[in-house]
Amino acid sequence: QKEVEQDPGPLSVPEGAIVSLNCTYSNSAFQYFMWYRQYSRKGPELLMYTYSSGNKEDGRFTAQVDKSSKYISLFIRDSQPSDSATYLCAMSEGGGGSYIPTFGRGTSLIVHP
Amino acid sequence: ETGVTQTPRHLVMGMTNKKSLKCEQHLGHNAMYWYKQSAKKPLELMFVYSLEERVENNSVPSRFSPECPNSSHLFLHLHTLQPEDSALYLCASSQSGGGGSETQYFGPGTRLLVL
Repeated sequence: QKEVEQDPGPLSVPEGAIVSLNCTYSNSAFQYFMWYRQYSRKGPELLMYTYSSGNKEDGRFTAQVDKSSKYISLFIRDSQPSDSATYLCAMSEGGGGSYIPTFGRGTSLIVHP
Repeated sequence: ETGVTQTPRHLVMGMTNKKSLKCEQHLGHNAMYWYKQSAKKPLELMFVYSLEERVENNSVPSRFSPECPNSSHLFLHLHTLQPEDSALYLCASSQSGGGGSETQYFGPGTRLLVL
């Protein structure tokens, strides 16, 4: 079993839709959870960062962490064609454990006008 | 663009060539990383440097040789590569390379094609 599972997609939605992107993981020591967005031919850029369980909102983006289920989500409201990209989840133990993130394989999102 | 730059952006090389990838970070960070990104696969960590010392090497073949002369610069020297080494090579940096979570900032990558 891979440490971080993420459906590669592609996920195709119409403009204005609510998008839900998800990752599951097996390492219960993960405490830090991140979402990166990667446009074609570019490096990943940090989108959201969350510590432990709970929700975090930033504009149209909401990150949600459920440590009991080992499940994290990224919601995008009112999706735009400019949101079309690959979204990578990443997580790390931090503290006394490994600080280096483990990445999912990324989900390709296409938002069509 | 982020505060991490990479050159060249594209590279085509034969299996007998020797080339180097360069990364420079302008963020004042102390840790730098090399990743390999292949289609449909997760990011593969190759090397980690913290305060110019290598702290992790994820069993990377010796045909890849990193060099970190200072905390702002990172090189990846390539020699006698194989076609399966064709990928996007990403450089990243982070604040301290230890302690709490390390938010990584990525460069745009070098797209490498080995013929």
